[in-house]
Order: sequence, then structure tokens, then C-alpha cells
Amino acid sequence: QLQLQESGPGLVKPSETLSLTCTVSGGSISSSSYHWGWIRQPPGKGLEWIGSIYYSGSTYYNPSLKSRVAISVDTSKNQFSLKLSSVTAADTAVYSCARAGGHYSDSGTYYYYMDVWGRGTTVTVSS
Amino acid sequence: DIQLTQSPSFLSASVGDRVTITCRASQGISTYLAWYQQKPGKAPNLLIYAASTLQSGVPSRFSGSGSGTEFTLTISSLQPEDFAIYYCQQLNNYPRNTFGQGTRLEIK
Repeated sequence: QLQLQESGPGLVKPSETLSLTCTVSGGSISSSSYHWGWIRQPPGKGLEWIGSIYYSGSTYYNPSLKSRVAISVDTSKNQFSLKLSSVTAADTAVYSCARAGGHYSDSGTYYYYMDVWGRGTTVTVSS
Repeated sequence: DIQLTQSPSFLSASVGDRVTITCRASQGISTYLAWYQQKPGKAPNLLIYAASTLQSGVPSRFSGSGSGTEFTLTISSLQPEDFAIYYCQQLNNYPRNTFGQGTRLEIK
């Protein structure tokens, strides 16, 4: 059974860089069928997609965060990582990693969805 | 960017009730829409994708419909375990995607 586990510091100082890693177990991150993504949820607020990566290293970012985000993959360790620079209190959130897969409909259209999520890790930005 | 607006933001209902949550997209997204359920302290759980396809293992009391800009999630007969927050997600420009702001479903 595929599992994702986030890890990294729970406290980051303002203006510094937030760094998190997602370790994939029970399956290979190198599967051509999936993308791997980061999503965050500020306290009391909704979900925000941060970005995604393919095993080849192709990346896709939320335009609102693009200037500060970098996602990388290490297939040898079955991990992918998030770096968010110049953080402020507004970046305080639960950060989750997720697998994005898909399914062909009867008409041949491919539909994506996020079907496996990590439990999330709380990151607080504070001095 | 495509924005999703869910209504209502808060819903109070009783066990056994039929409830409907609406998700409206700022532009047409065909049927590239998914629904998730999130319980306190837990990761979101995929319920429906392609607007109306039930994810494996999800009870049949959940159903989804819609296309273009308007979508609905219906729970036919609320069970105690259904009280949670529900999110829609558009994947029309996958991998780019956005979520609705959420609908909190509470016990009356």
C-alpha cells in the first residue's frame, strides 16, 4: 500500500527558506503514471496547491508562489522535496504531499485526481 | 487562473438528510472536477473524480454531477461519519489545479 510521509522543521524564521521532504513507500516514485505534489492549508483556511513534479524532474508551480518555490525529486531515495524561500507568517500552514494519478473514462478522456496523501506536517513561521 | 466557489460555506443537517453542495467554476472546465472529504486532523480523502465517477471504496450515497461551470456533490442519506469539510478541485489545466474554499457540514 502506497504511503507518503512528510518530514522537515516545524519552525522556520521569517525571511528564511522552508524545506520539506516527502518520502514515498510501498511504490516507486519513478512510475510514469503519476505526478507528485505539495499542497498546504493555513490554519482555518482551505487547500492551496503549491506545485507538482514528475519523476523526470519536470515541475509545475502555482503562479502565486512560483517566484519562491522549488520542487525537486530524488528517485534514488524515492523522495521529492519542497523549498519555499523568503517565508512570512502567511506561509504558516499544514504542508502535505500527495500523489496525482488518473483514470481513462469510457470515452478515452484521461482524468486526474489526488488519490494518496501524506498526513501533513505543521510548519510555523515565527522568530 | 480558474476560481472555484462553493456554496454554502456552512451547512447544518441531520442524520438521514439529503444534502447538496454546489461548486461553480469561473470558466468552463468540462468535467475535470474532483471532490474530497476532510475530517479534523486528517488528510483529504478522494470521493469523486471526473465530476461524477465514484472513487473505489466510497459509499454509493455519495454522488456527483455537472459539467462546464456548475457541479454538485450530493449525499443521499447523511450518516454520522459524513460530517466533515468538503472541497471541490478543478484539474482542467492539469498539473495546475485549484480548490474551492470548502463547505463545512455539521450536525444539526
